[in-house]
Parts: sequence; structure tokens; C-alpha cells
Amino acid sequence: QVQLVQSGAEMKKPGASVKVSCKTSGYTFSDYYMHWVRQAPGQGLEWMGWINPMIDVTNYARKFQGRVTLTRDRSFRTAYWELSGLSSDDSAMYYCAREGTSQEWDYWGQGTLVTVSS
Amino acid sequence: ESVLTQSPGTLSLSPGERATLSCRASQSVSNNFLAWYQQKPGQAPRLLIYDASSRATGIPDRFSGSGSGTDFTLTISRLEPEDFAVYYCQQYGTSLLPFGQGTKLEI
Repeated sequence: QVQLVQSGAEMKKPGASVKVSCKTSGYTFSDYYMHWVRQAPGQGLEWMGWINPMIDVTNYARKFQGRVTLTRDRSFRTAYWELSGLSSDDSAMYYCAREGTSQEWDYWGQGTLVTVSS
Repeated sequence: ESVLTQSPGTLSLSPGERATLSCRASQSVSNNFLAWYQQKPGQAPRLLIYDASSRATGIPDRFSGSGSGTDFTLTISRLEPEDFAVYYCQQYGTSLLPFGQGTKLEI
């Protein structure tokens, strides 16, 4: 069965960077786009960007351009998300989500909590 | 950039009742690329409906989606206790992928 398993919680200081992984199984990794979504405490969902693992093409939401980098390792069937210049506003839960055959987001990771505090 | 507005913000109902949630887009949604997700506390969102009216795998038939253009509806025919959660709509298939702000369905 399809599974997306994200790396564990992170605690970072302001100005630092963080890198989160999303390890996949149960399907052909390169065949499906991967999206990343942010959810601040008590808030709604905010799309950050996607990566096409087949050809390593990315697209970022305007708000995160210049600070977010999406990468992938096809041999490890894993997608990565890295955010630089962290501030307390970046404290949130971050999810990876697979884009399915009809462009819907059919499988999600369990989420990774990132806390930014001095 | 399309903005999705969900209403109501909070919906208070009882098990067995019918729930109707609305999602309105500021621009027409191409190909009815509109999805609904359910999120319970401490959990990742779960896909319920895609292409405005197609149920995702394993979703009970008490959940249904309808609408086109700019107005979409998620209906839960008879609420079960496990249905009380937050529901989000989302437009996809575009360069920007907005979500609505969510509707909290509470007992």
C-alpha cells in the first residue's frame, strides 16, 4: 500500500535552516508529483510548492520563493523540503502529499512539526 | 489568483443530521478541479472528494460533492460521530493551489 513517512520533529533557532524528508513506498516514486503544505498552529492549510520527481522540476508558491528548496532522491524514493532563514512564523506542521492520477492529493505524510525558538 | 471562501466557519449539528458545507471560488474552477479534505485533530488531511463529485477510495457514500464553476458543496447525508472534524476545499490543476479557510463541523 502507498505510504508517505516523514522525518521527525525539529527544533531550530531563528535564522537557521531545516530539512524535512518524505520517504515513500508502495508506488513508483518518479511517476507522481509531490507537494508540500504548511499548517500553522490552529490555522488552515497553505500550499508551499511541488516537485516533479521524474525530471526534477519544481514550482514554489510566491510567498516561499527564495527560501524553500524542494529536492528528491529517486534511488531512496524520498522527497525533501528545506526552508532557510527560519523565523518564529515558520513554526508549523509541514506535510508532504502525493498528487494522484487525476491531480487530486490522494496520500499524505503524517506531518513534521517544526518549532523555531531562541 | 483564485480565492476560496468556505461557509459557514463553524457548523453545529447532531449525529444523524445532514450537513451542507459550501465553497465559493473567486474565479471559475477549470475542469471542476475541486477537492474536499477532512482533518481531525492531530492528523493529516484525508482526501474525501475530487473532481468536485468523485469520492476517493474508501470514503463512505454518505459523503457527496456537487457543484461547478464557482460554487461547490460537500454534503454529509447522515452524520456519524467520527465525521466531526474540520473540512477544507482546495482547487488544483493550476499553478497556484489555494485552500479554503476551513469549516469546523462540531457536535
